[in-house]
Amino acid sequence: EIVLTQSPGTLSLSPGERATLSCRASQSVSSGYLAWYQQKPGQAPRLLIYGASSRATGIPDRFSGSGSGTDFTLTISRLEPEDFAVYYCQQYGSSPPWTFGQGTKVEIK
Amino acid sequence: QVQLVQSGAEVKKPGASVKVSCKASGYTFTRYYMHWVRQAPGQGLEWMGIINPSGGSTSYAQKFQGRVTMTRDASTSTVYMELSSLRSEDTAVYYCARNSGSFLYWGQGTLVTVSS
Repeated sequence: EIVLTQSPGTLSLSPGERATLSCRASQSVSSGYLAWYQQKPGQAPRLLIYGASSRATGIPDRFSGSGSGTDFTLTISRLEPEDFAVYYCQQYGSSPPWTFGQGTKVEIK
Repeated sequence: QVQLVQSGAEVKKPGASVKVSCKASGYTFTRYYMHWVRQAPGQGLEWMGIINPSGGSTSYAQKFQGRVTMTRDASTSTVYMELSSLRSEDTAVYYCARNSGSFLYWGQGTLVTVSS
């Protein structure tokens, strides 16, 4: 089973700042099958990025994903007020099982 | 448009079972596998298992083997997740999510509370 470790646990930033979230896998993620989700309180997760770097339909271009192998990054170029949320990475290249990281909370500083 | 509509909140006693439904619409039901994911209060996302709506085959996370059963009814485009021998640690929101490798479509979630 691939274990995903996200860092930092919490990121305190101001609107307009750049956010950089990390996701490290315990072994290589096959074919870059790594996704990122955003979750707000009381809502289901929302797919942002799939295939490590492809934006899902309707996702603003301030969200970008990069990485390969065991190291992946989600970057939010300029934080908007609606971007403060919890973000999860997920691998689907070596599944089952599908696995998620423990999450990074992006909070307003 | 694709929609996954789940059944309502449940309150169960320890040792009981719960069965949550997820009704799909807006696409061909048998073409996409369906996952179940849960989230305990204040915690992260935990994958529980997957079902093939076409043939009914399943794969469960090791943690839930022996306690979870996923089934489907193709006539109503509905998948079900039944969890037995409930304990307080099973209190969580349970989601269905359609497989496309990643999970683009999610149900709204069903809160299951286990309390004596």
